[in-house]
Amino acid sequence: KAGVTQTPRYLIKTRGQQVTLSCSPISGHRSVSWYQQTPGQGLQFLFEYFSETQRNKGNFPGRFSGRQFSNSRSEMNVSTLELGDSALYLCASSEQGATEAFFGQGTRLTVV
Amino acid sequence: AQSVTQPDIHITVSEGASLELRCNYSYGATPYLFWYVQSPGQGLQLLLKYFSGDTLVQGIKGFEAEFKRSQSSFNLRKPSVHWSDAAEYFCAGYSGGGADGLTFGKGTHLIIQP
Repeated sequence: KAGVTQTPRYLIKTRGQQVTLSCSPISGHRSVSWYQQTPGQGLQFLFEYFSETQRNKGNFPGRFSGRQFSNSRSEMNVSTLELGDSALYLCASSEQGATEAFFGQGTRLTVV
Repeated sequence: AQSVTQPDIHITVSEGASLELRCNYSYGATPYLFWYVQSPGQGLQLLLKYFSGDTLVQGIKGFEAEFKRSQSSFNLRKPSVHWSDAAEYFCAGYSGGGADGLTFGKGTHLIIQP
């Protein structure tokens, strides 16, 4: 089986812009979760989608949003980018919740 | 609030020596517990998981972990480390039932001395 695929791998954006990141889960997995990883805060849960519905959301501002399509692929969007949004964004897929989550290689976002 | 703590930020071990990475959890009930490894610039790879039952769980790459309810711990061990084990290791917990994703510890950076 192919693993979790995240695109693009690297992004450089300017403050105030918006960005969309993509995640293709493992075939058959219906749950996709997103995490932000920074040196200061570590790994933090952003949100989880299951069968096109957001089930859970972490403690992030409304500028962070996401969606899931009928083929389980997911996108996350960050609007009005701030310097502090610079991070590695990781996507994880699983059959159900986070009981066995498999991670992609991440998208490295740099906001300048 | 639920939390996962990894007390050691850095650990240095000689190649061929044994390894133990510490992890403590604080949850209302016993969570699902995981260990992940991350190489520089890469995503997270699942090493092993504990859901219930046998408290000693075996994982990939020769790793094992022991769940100790009395100590709220889930320490990762390896009898003999290889230079390729140098990486960042994360312990994580999940309370299940549709809860808010994985809660990660801050990670332990493992350095292997030749």
